[in-house]
Amino acid sequence: GAGVSQSPRYKVAKRGQDVALRCDPISGHVSLFWYQQALGQGPEFLTYFQNEAQLDKSGLPSDRFFAERPEGSVSTLKIQRTQQEDSAVYLCASSLSGGPKYEQYFGPGTRLTVT
Amino acid sequence: RKEVEQDPGPFNVPEGATVAFNCTYSNSASQSFFWYRQDCRKEPKLLMSVYSSGNEDGRFTAQLNRASQYISLLIRDSKLSDSATYLCVVSHGSSNTGKLIFGQGTTLQVKP
Repeated sequence: GAGVSQSPRYKVAKRGQDVALRCDPISGHVSLFWYQQALGQGPEFLTYFQNEAQLDKSGLPSDRFFAERPEGSVSTLKIQRTQQEDSAVYLCASSLSGGPKYEQYFGPGTRLTVT
Repeated sequence: RKEVEQDPGPFNVPEGATVAFNCTYSNSASQSFFWYRQDCRKEPKLLMSVYSSGNEDGRFTAQLNRASQYISLLIRDSKLSDSATYLCVVSHGSSNTGKLIFGQGTTLQVKP
């Protein structure tokens, strides 16, 4: 079956540009997570949705980062006025429901390079 | 100090070797524990959950010591295909979201 998909797979942005990253979770998965993975580091939590509700955005590094999931399926992570430190792989994961007992399935990520 | 600490390695071992990875976590509210595997330029995938009683899946054995806040992964009879980064991961019991907290990852290179 189809897994989590993300687009674009690669994005190069000039500093100051806005970018939008898309995540299509596994159909029927209630929970959706965004993580940021810098080079040589493990992924770091950004934000969590249960259906369309954003229940945790404690990991968003600044108010330039914004995420939405308006219909409870596809999610978009938007970064405004990109900075070089935003260069990373942005991973989306979905799970059947909330809570750690449900396995999170990760998408292939979007590799963002800010020049 | 990061909440989940791992030795980044790399660990370079010959095929057939036994290799052990260790991880410590600092938040005693951590309730769920996992090892994920991440191949180069790929997404992380769940390798196994870790239980206090210890658990084994084929050549892989995971152990949890809650008192010491220490997690381990043992790989026996290493294969070339085991070459990857192994991520130690915890989740807090106080969080209903299940958000994962990752260590830096330990890189394993198995050589012929």
